[in-house]
Amino acid sequence: AQSVTQPDIHITVSEGASLELRCNYSYGATPYLFWYVQSPGQGLQLLLKYFSGDTLVQGIKGFEAEFKRSQSSFNLRKPSVHWSDAAEYFCAVGSYKLIFGSGTRLLVRP
Amino acid sequence: EPEVTQTPSHQVTQMGQEVILRCVPISNHLYFYWYRQILGQKVEFLVSFYNNEISEKSEIFDDQFSVERPDGSNFTLKIRSTKLEDSAMYFCASQTSGVQETQYFGPGTRLLVL
Repeated sequence: AQSVTQPDIHITVSEGASLELRCNYSYGATPYLFWYVQSPGQGLQLLLKYFSGDTLVQGIKGFEAEFKRSQSSFNLRKPSVHWSDAAEYFCAVGSYKLIFGSGTRLLVRP
Repeated sequence: EPEVTQTPSHQVTQMGQEVILRCVPISNHLYFYWYRQILGQKVEFLVSFYNNEISEKSEIFDDQFSVERPDGSNFTLKIRSTKLEDSAMYFCASQTSGVQETQYFGPGTRLLVL
């Protein structure tokens, strides 16, 4: 069955610290992978996506993610977190129909 | 920058009533979607719509649900007889063409069924 797992429900980091949000997927075919961010009262905004090619993808707001087929993972990283990054982050897999993980809420300590 | 808009932002209804959730996708987009997120749960796919017909739907999307693109700009989700368990945030999304194009999401409509 197709699924996405985000094992961390909440993560708290200090401003300026590095960040890694975990995502594991199960998908029969070559996966198309996405990270979306949702701020309160906002829709889902695409941070980055992976379809093929270079397994390290760059996104907006200084985020990057690395596709590791052997680990079925697509973890999101940022070297230095800003207070404005506090939001909920969703990993998703799919083509036209997206399958989402349950999300990770990021809290940023001043 | 073009964006997907949804109305209303919040809707409260009584169980058994019909509701229509409205979305205005980005103007040159061809694929349209509805997703929902029950409080505390995952965002779930409901239905995709292309070329004026449903291209895929989930098990959630039963006969109580319907979608329509009535006038070339709006995209609506109708729930004929709401149930308590339909309470959720409903997101509309649109996409230009091709599987590698980004799905752009609206801000959502929070539906509460009493």
